[in-house]
Amino acid sequence: QSVLTQPPSASGTPGQRVTISCSGSSSNIGSNTVNWYQQLPGTAPKLLIYRNNQRPSGVPDRFSGSKSGTSASLAISGLQSEDEADYYCAAWDDSLNDVVFGGGTKLTVL
Amino acid sequence: QLQLQESGPGLVKPSETLSLTCTVSGGSISSSNWYWGWIRQPPGKGLEWIGSINYSGTTYYNPSLKSRVTISVDTSKNQFSLKLTSVTATDTAVYYCARVDILVLPSTTFDYWGQGTLVTVSS
Repeated sequence: QSVLTQPPSASGTPGQRVTISCSGSSSNIGSNTVNWYQQLPGTAPKLLIYRNNQRPSGVPDRFSGSKSGTSASLAISGLQSEDEADYYCAAWDDSLNDVVFGGGTKLTVL
Repeated sequence: QLQLQESGPGLVKPSETLSLTCTVSGGSISSSNWYWGWIRQPPGKGLEWIGSINYSGTTYYNPSLKSRVTISVDTSKNQFSLKLTSVTATDTAVYYCARVDILVLPSTTFDYWGQGTLVTVSS
């Protein structure tokens, strides 16, 4: 059972906009920044969004992040087949003194 | 371009010590701008942070693994290492090393990753 809760799966058709949620608590998302990682099949995770809503260089602006209270969201607009991957949220937890990850959301492009 | 590469045995016996090294190329591990971390992923499961270290040897560990984990750094070789003692089958995982962006500490911003190495714990 992960400290951060994500839906196990999400799906969309090419061109569509999809969102993936990440729910936490006051000790993690409520008091610290959230990062998002994309893991393509058989590869290492890649930093997608940092500090809630910042994109590293090279990440398309189709990807955006937001945070409100104890929840965060990743939005992907103009969905493409190459976006099919697992997505993980992460935050520091002040109570656990630990980096906590969500359980991951498998995104399928139909 | 910064690159990280994990190395070490792919098979470890139960109760023994898992040892991995991460070699950093294309940049210096001695910069004060970053920490260096280990993350693992059991087959078919999610990510788990193991711990992080900076160039001077300051560490912070996952509390659930702290009693079994040691992370060290060798700046002369531009490497950092992981030791996990008393392993069991539940420690079977792909182990990744990563650079940690530390604009805010403690940090969960792993901005460069190695390709990962599968370590199986089995007799």
